[in-house]
Amino acid sequence: DVKVTQSSRYLVKRTGEKVFLECVQDMDHENMFWYRQDPGLGLRLIYFSYDVKMKEKGDIPEGYSVSREKKERFSLILESASTNQTSMYLCASSWGRNQVGELFFGSGTQLSVL
Amino acid sequence: AQKVTQAQTEISVVEKEDVTLDCVYETRDTTYYLFWYKQPPSGELVFLIRRNSFDEQNEISGRYSWNFQKSTSSFNFTITASQVVDSAVYFCALTGGFKTIFGAGTRLFVKA
Repeated sequence: DVKVTQSSRYLVKRTGEKVFLECVQDMDHENMFWYRQDPGLGLRLIYFSYDVKMKEKGDIPEGYSVSREKKERFSLILESASTNQTSMYLCASSWGRNQVGELFFGSGTQLSVL
Repeated sequence: AQKVTQAQTEISVVEKEDVTLDCVYETRDTTYYLFWYKQPPSGELVFLIRRNSFDEQNEISGRYSWNFQKSTSSFNFTITASQVVDSAVYFCALTGGFKTIFGAGTRLFVKA
C-alpha cells in the first residue's frame, strides 16, 4: 500500500511563528506536491518537486517555501505564519517521468494560525 | 496557463437518480492527463480515473462513466443510479508537465 504520511493532523500556531509541515512517502515516487484546501476554492497548488533538491512554484507560493533533501521527504515551511494561512494542507506524491501517475494523498494537516 | 473549471458547486439528487458532474479544462500542452478524485466526508482524497490526452475513449466502471471530448475540452463524470455512499466532493484535475491543478470541486448530496 502506498503511504503518504503527514507529521501532524492538527496544528495550532501563533502569528509570526515559523512552521514546518513534514511529509514522507514510502513508494519511491519522483513527484511530490503541497496543496492547500479551502472551502469553495478546491485544492490550490503551493509548490511541487519532481526530483531531489528540485522545486517549482505552484499557483500560490507566496509566504511558503519547501525543502526536498531526500526523495521520500518533502517539507513545507511557513517562514512567518499569518492568519490567512489557516487552512487544510495536503501533501501528495506520484510516480512518473514520461508518463504521469495519479496522486496519492496524505490525511492532511489542519493548521490554525491565531 | 492551465485551468480546470467545475461550474457546479453543489448538486443534490435523490437515490437512484443519474447525475453528471461537469469538468472543463484549459491547457496549451499537447500531452496532458485528466483525473477525477473523490473526497468522502472522512476527508482523504481517492483516485477514480486517469485519462491521457491521446485517448478519447469513454470509460465505464460499474455505475461510473466518463466522457472525454477534446473538441469541447471537457471530461465529464456520470454516476448512474446514485447511492447515498456517493455523497462526497468530487474533484477534476489536470496534469501538464509535472504540475497538477484541481478544479474547485462539486459537492454531491445523495438523499435516501
